[in-house]
Amino acid sequence: DAGVIQSPRHEVTEMGQEVTLRCKPISGHNSLFWYRQTMMRGLELLIYFNNNVPIDDSGMPEDRFSAKMPNASFSTLKIQPSEPRDSAVYFCASNRQGAGYGYEQYFGPGTRLTVT
Amino acid sequence: GESVGLHLPTLSVQEGDNSIINCAYSNSASDYFIWYKQESGKGPQFIIDIRSNMDKRQGQRVTVLLNKTVKHLSLQIAATQPGDSAVYFCAETPNYGNNRLAFGKGNQVVVIP
Repeated sequence: DAGVIQSPRHEVTEMGQEVTLRCKPISGHNSLFWYRQTMMRGLELLIYFNNNVPIDDSGMPEDRFSAKMPNASFSTLKIQPSEPRDSAVYFCASNRQGAGYGYEQYFGPGTRLTVT
Repeated sequence: GESVGLHLPTLSVQEGDNSIINCAYSNSASDYFIWYKQESGKGPQFIIDIRSNMDKRQGQRVTVLLNKTVKHLSLQIAATQPGDSAVYFCAETPNYGNNRLAFGKGNQVVVIP
């Protein structure tokens, strides 16, 4: 089975540009998570969705960040305008929430974003 | 990019020896704990989990121990192999039934051939 799919794997952009990161969760999973990982701050949860509805976006840094999940098989994380401090690896993860399921999340390979 | 990096605790272990990685958690109400392994350039990968009603769980070459009294979690890797070189994260659910995981800062394991 395919795992979580993220695209692009690498993104280099200039400050001020819009960046869109994409994620396809594992089929059948009903929860999706966006994380950011940096050396300084480690792995931070930005937002998570359950059944396509945003449940907790308290980790979204500021209004420049937005996330959508239009259907069960696709989500985007957008940064507009991007800044150098947004440079990080962005991970998408998914799991199936419900009775009888554990809490382990399955991570994608990440998108390495560099903003110059 | 960052000019100062987060220095992870590093464990250097000889190939074939056993490894023990430790993690302290802060929330006594946490109900569920997970260990993840992250290899360079990859996403975190699930290794093993344990619920708060257990104090030990074994997998293939790995054992997780939970001490709720002192809020301590450990991961033991038997007969460490070069492929075990990675950063290991513990994670917990701070609230029962909440789907969020709170991740620790990670521990670097370096296996010496």
